[in-house]
Amino acid sequence: KNQVEQSPQSLIILEGKNCTLQCNYTVSPFSNLRWYKQDTGRGPVSLTIMTFSENTKSNGRYTATLDADTKQSSLHITASQLSDSASYICVVSSNAGNMLTFGGGTRLMVKP
Amino acid sequence: GAVVSQHPSWVICKSGTSVKIECRSLDFQATTMFWYRQFPKQSLMLMATSNEGSKATYEQGVEKDKFLINHASLTLSTLTVTSAHPEDSSFYICSATSGISYEQYFGPGTRLTVT
Repeated sequence: KNQVEQSPQSLIILEGKNCTLQCNYTVSPFSNLRWYKQDTGRGPVSLTIMTFSENTKSNGRYTATLDADTKQSSLHITASQLSDSASYICVVSSNAGNMLTFGGGTRLMVKP
Repeated sequence: GAVVSQHPSWVICKSGTSVKIECRSLDFQATTMFWYRQFPKQSLMLMATSNEGSKATYEQGVEKDKFLINHASLTLSTLTVTSAHPEDSSFYICSATSGISYEQYFGPGTRLTVT
């Protein structure tokens, strides 16, 4: 069964600090892995998308890593801002990208 | 970038009535559209996949006669919740793909409250 597990479920950090969110998956066949940011009451917004051959990808203060051998990914947020408070969802796709398996998300709260 | 809109952004309806939610791809042709439901503090759950001009494919446990999906054009898909019940209250999100890339572009969501 295809599964995506994220940890931690929730996280509180102080503004300006860094944090790392984890994602483990058992999806086969693997097509790509995506990280989304979802603000409360809004749809998910794509942060990064990585294929099998990509180990790291950055989008501003967000850096995602992918280890396809261990089936793990991480999302590192640098110098957090209050606006980073949101749910971060790891999504793994198979079957040419149309079949998505969603992780449960990590709810991040950045406090001043 | 590709933009997907939803209308309305929120709706309140009475039990037993039907409500229609629209999903539009504004600047690209969406060969496939997806409808998701999200309950509070939970992740998105796929309800159905629709391709333009053909019947939607529903996920196990989703009643196709209750959640009617129409994908009549390459830029518009609609989800109609029929005979709504309070347990249908949820956040409904659509997404669309162009078929050119892997990317799924998500709409902003529609908050449905059934009283």
